[in-house]
Amino acid sequence: DAGVIQSPRHEVTEMGQEVTLRCKPISGHNSLFWYRQTMMRGLELLIYFNNNVPIDDSGMPEDRFSAKMPNASFSTLKIQPSEPRDSAVYFCASSSLRDTSTWVGTEAFFGQGTRLTVV
Amino acid sequence: GQQLNQSPQSMFIQEGEDVSMNCTSSSIFNTWLWYKQDPGEGPVLLIALYKAGELTSNGRLTAQFGITRKDSFLNISASIPSDVGIYFCAGTFPYNQGGKLIFGQGTELSVKP
Repeated sequence: DAGVIQSPRHEVTEMGQEVTLRCKPISGHNSLFWYRQTMMRGLELLIYFNNNVPIDDSGMPEDRFSAKMPNASFSTLKIQPSEPRDSAVYFCASSSLRDTSTWVGTEAFFGQGTRLTVV
Repeated sequence: GQQLNQSPQSMFIQEGEDVSMNCTSSSIFNTWLWYKQDPGEGPVLLIALYKAGELTSNGRLTAQFGITRKDSFLNISASIPSDVGIYFCAGTFPYNQGGKLIFGQGTELSVKP
């Protein structure tokens, strides 16, 4: 398996522009997570999906952020309009249910991230 | 709120020394995970723990799932220069409660040859 695939790896955009980050989870995984990493705030969970359904988006910083998962193999994180303070590395991770009798999930695997710079 | 408190924040050690770091929380987790992140890369899984009290090793790494399910530690024995990086603990809530995965603040490890 190719692992979690994120694109683009780097994105530089001007303030006010729309930015779309993409993620392809590992085949067969049914949970997908979006994280944002900064020096100040570490790894913040923005939103996560189970079986393509958003479960908790309480980490999404503002209405400018939105995420979708139209099918099991694709998710997007969109920022519109972008601002300089959105500059960070955005990670996508996926996992699956390990044990249906105990509801124990598997470990999560991360993509290589998208480094976003908003100028 | 839901938080993982990881300590220490940073460590500077000599090659060959042992390292210990830990995470605590007020929440109960179903799974504890330990990751390492190198510059410019995503976190890479080192060890996964699934049962309270579980002690698991992966080479020079040993981790334990606390008996209360609210804490975990990671030990690295005989450190080497390539151990340098940021180590994160992470906890997963039970899947039937959504399976949310949250991270500690990280421990930055520096190893002096």
